[in-house]
Amino acid sequence: EPEVTQTPSHQVTQMGQEVILRCVPISNHLYFYWYRQILGQKVEFLVSFYNNEISEKSEIFDDQFSVERPDGSNFTLKIRSTKLEDSAMYFCASGTHSTDTQYFGPGTRLTVL
Amino acid sequence: EDQVTQSPEALRLQEGESSSLNCSYTVSGLRGLFWYRQDPGKGPEFLFTLYSAGEEKEKERLKATLTKKESFLHITAPKPEDSATYLCAVQANTGGFKTIFGAGTRLFVKA
Repeated sequence: EPEVTQTPSHQVTQMGQEVILRCVPISNHLYFYWYRQILGQKVEFLVSFYNNEISEKSEIFDDQFSVERPDGSNFTLKIRSTKLEDSAMYFCASGTHSTDTQYFGPGTRLTVL
Repeated sequence: EDQVTQSPEALRLQEGESSSLNCSYTVSGLRGLFWYRQDPGKGPEFLFTLYSAGEEKEKERLKATLTKKESFLHITAPKPEDSATYLCAVQANTGGFKTIFGAGTRLFVKA
């Protein structure tokens, strides 16, 4: 059964450093999403991406964040200058339609020191 | 502002003891309401999508229902392996595809 994959599973970085979180969505999906979940808190929407552009972003997704689909398979989230409060689990998700099932990846745990 | 509230925060059941989880939502036009299951340290796992009031969907011991203001996830004769956090999320019928999650209900089923 196809699944969303994410790398790395755990990323430790120093405050102020840039990180890139990588995702490989399911191959025939067209809609892509990034979410974050701070430990013990709710899943928070960051951004949705369709037709090679951002379709919506949340207040959290400020100028420090960017997304890219550099080729036909990868979907990346870049945080330019990490802050302590960026420490969280980051989930990628993909779906075939906007209201269809969103399949989530296993997540990348980001720890900012 | 679009909002999702889930109750209770935590629910402890004996194996076989049926119950319901509640998801109340406020959204400017509902595009879809989603139920997910999340195990500790894992990504949410899709359970159901509901689109309009009156709709119901079932899968094994789970049944999801939808009204204009809330959704229920009914768990019939739960087993210990049903222990998890159950998340409700909504997507509004406006603009992009922002999906708003509730805080979840942590379900514990004791054998």
